[in-house]
Amino acid sequence: DGGITQSPKYLFRKEGQNVTLSCEQNLNHDAMYWYRQDPGQGLRLIYYSQIVNDFQKGDIAEGYSVSREKKESFPLTVTSAQKNPTAFYLCASSVGPDQPQHFGDGTRLSIL
Amino acid sequence: GNSVTQMEGPVTLSEEAFLTINCTYTATGYPSLFWYVQYPGEGLQLLLKATKADDKGSNKGFEATYRKETTSFHLEKGSVQVSDSAVYFCALDLNDYKLSFGAGTTVTVRA
Repeated sequence: DGGITQSPKYLFRKEGQNVTLSCEQNLNHDAMYWYRQDPGQGLRLIYYSQIVNDFQKGDIAEGYSVSREKKESFPLTVTSAQKNPTAFYLCASSVGPDQPQHFGDGTRLSIL
Repeated sequence: GNSVTQMEGPVTLSEEAFLTINCTYTATGYPSLFWYVQYPGEGLQLLLKATKADDKGSNKGFEATYRKETTSFHLEKGSVQVSDSAVYFCALDLNDYKLSFGAGTTVTVRA
């Protein structure tokens, strides 16, 4: 079945450490997205990519970085500059703008 | 800027009750509107969508009508089941790759 796979499901970060969250899709979608979800809040956009080798900052990009070297993959790195990284991270993809987004099952990041 | 306001939860209902979740929006253009649902520990799933005024989106017994005059997109279901327990998100898209989400409404249906 086509879909979006995020890994790992749970991730723990030590102070001062960078961690990378994986997101892979086999839907042949051009656009991919990373969101952060905090309890009681909606999703906030971190980064998005319209096409391979291109990405733009979303509303809360500070302390995060991404790459888009392949159409299928859009990994997110949470750097040590992100002082409050504990959250649920969701990856999504879509055919293009104004189209429904398909979501992965998320990665829950916690601080040790 | 663009924003979405949902009714605050949590909402607790008995099985077969009528569900309404209010959603209003502010946008500078003519957005597409979506309802997404999130089950515990999972990502979001598209529930329904509407792309222009007076469109009605429907799926799995849920309905929502795009009301431009009241800038609203309220979600309704006539008879809920325990399996409808989830968090529901209203969202808008102005054709710029940026979905704006409401804060979400947690719905619990009791048997």
